[in-house]
Amino acid sequence: SQTIHQWPATLVQPVGSPLSLECTVEGTSNPNLYWYRQAAGRGLQLLFYSVGIGQISSEVPQNLSASRPQDRQFILSSKKLLLSDSGFYLCAWTRLVIDEQYFGPGTRLTVT
Amino acid sequence: AQTVTQSQPEMSVQEAETVTLSCTYDTSESDYYLFWYKQPPSRQMILVIRQEAYKQQNATENRFSVNFQKAAKSFSLKISDSQLGDAAMYFCASANAGNMLTFGGGTRLMVKP
Repeated sequence: SQTIHQWPATLVQPVGSPLSLECTVEGTSNPNLYWYRQAAGRGLQLLFYSVGIGQISSEVPQNLSASRPQDRQFILSSKKLLLSDSGFYLCAWTRLVIDEQYFGPGTRLTVT
Repeated sequence: AQTVTQSQPEMSVQEAETVTLSCTYDTSESDYYLFWYKQPPSRQMILVIRQEAYKQQNATENRFSVNFQKAAKSFSLKISDSQLGDAAMYFCASANAGNMLTFGGGTRLMVKP
């Protein structure tokens, strides 16, 4: 069966510090991978998606970047965090055809 | 571009009763899927039900069913025999051929004992 992992689960970082959130998927190959952000009490906003190693598409220009160094690894990064980067970050994967997306447990990021 | 609208920020239902959550969407795609996701306090996103746009029959999963009105671009979720564990945020979402999910703003469902 397939599983998706995210870490860390929670993170408190000062403004201006770097960020690295990791997402890995097990039990499948060549998945589509997605990063979403959810502000408190709001819906999900798609940040990045990837259809293959090294292939990253950005939906919203911002202070964040993403990378896919391996087939089942997706990393969300920032060189300098802003207060507005606080939120709940969710990673998801799906098969190549239209299908439901499977979500990880999420990372709660607080920028102070 | 796709848009998904959930017009009910909050809904309340008595335990064992039935509740319907509304969702409308807009898409120019001919091939798309629709989903309802549940997000409990743990914030884990859980798929409740899915509907392929090409299927006329409404999807059903145990106590959960949808009313899919393709011409009206409406996709409502009905929860029958509501249980305390149904209390959560519910998100409607659409996916196009590129598998890009667009989410609505969510509806918070409260279940009264």
